[in-house]
Amino acid sequence: GAVVSQHPSRVICKSGTSVKIECRSLDFQATTMFWYRQFPKQSLMLMATSNEGSKATYEQGVEKDKFLINHASLTLSTLTVTSAHPEDSSFYICSARSSGLAGGTDTQYFGPGTRLTVL
Amino acid sequence: AQSVTQLDSQVPVFEEAPVELRCNYSSSVSVYLFWYVQYPNQGLQLLLKYLSGSTLVESINGFEAEFNKSQTSFHLRKPSVHISDTAEYFCAVSPRGGGGNKLTFGTGTQLKVEL
Repeated sequence: GAVVSQHPSRVICKSGTSVKIECRSLDFQATTMFWYRQFPKQSLMLMATSNEGSKATYEQGVEKDKFLINHASLTLSTLTVTSAHPEDSSFYICSARSSGLAGGTDTQYFGPGTRLTVL
Repeated sequence: AQSVTQLDSQVPVFEEAPVELRCNYSSSVSVYLFWYVQYPNQGLQLLLKYLSGSTLVESINGFEAEFNKSQTSFHLRKPSVHISDTAEYFCAVSPRGGGGNKLTFGTGTQLKVEL
């Protein structure tokens, strides 16, 4: 149980285009989802916290107009990188917090990540 | 605010040898503690966690970690490693009972198991 998927796993796009990444909790409901960014050989940096049905809360320094987050249902959150540029190239990982699993509400389950390359 | 320190960026070890990956944290409030493992080009997988109760927690694949409140540590150990344990290991904390369960990660330790 507690499986989180991300789609696509890898995307290459041209500079100036927008890219949407989906994060789904497959076998549980997630009232909260988190979006992280990971640079090569570095740790995960939290970008934003997404609560179902409400606006996302962004971490300091993260442009909310550039990284649009939508959490329309208890099993789906999307991250859209708008007008992507090469510096946005990174590994984006989502996680979902369970709301009723045996692991409790204090455990985040991570997706497999999306490798974004902006040319 | 919380911070997590993983002093060892890389730990090389021979197969079947024991290993310890160190994790220390700093926090003004009580925290939950986690170890996650990341295989190349993959997301993070929860390895084990400490929420309450016994300070020694174990994973299904032989890893264990002990919460030491006085030393603010949560070191990860395995008595005999396998080639398949080669991966990046992240220690993380989140505040108890609030803070939106935000995780603060350490910088990771690359465990490389050699024959």
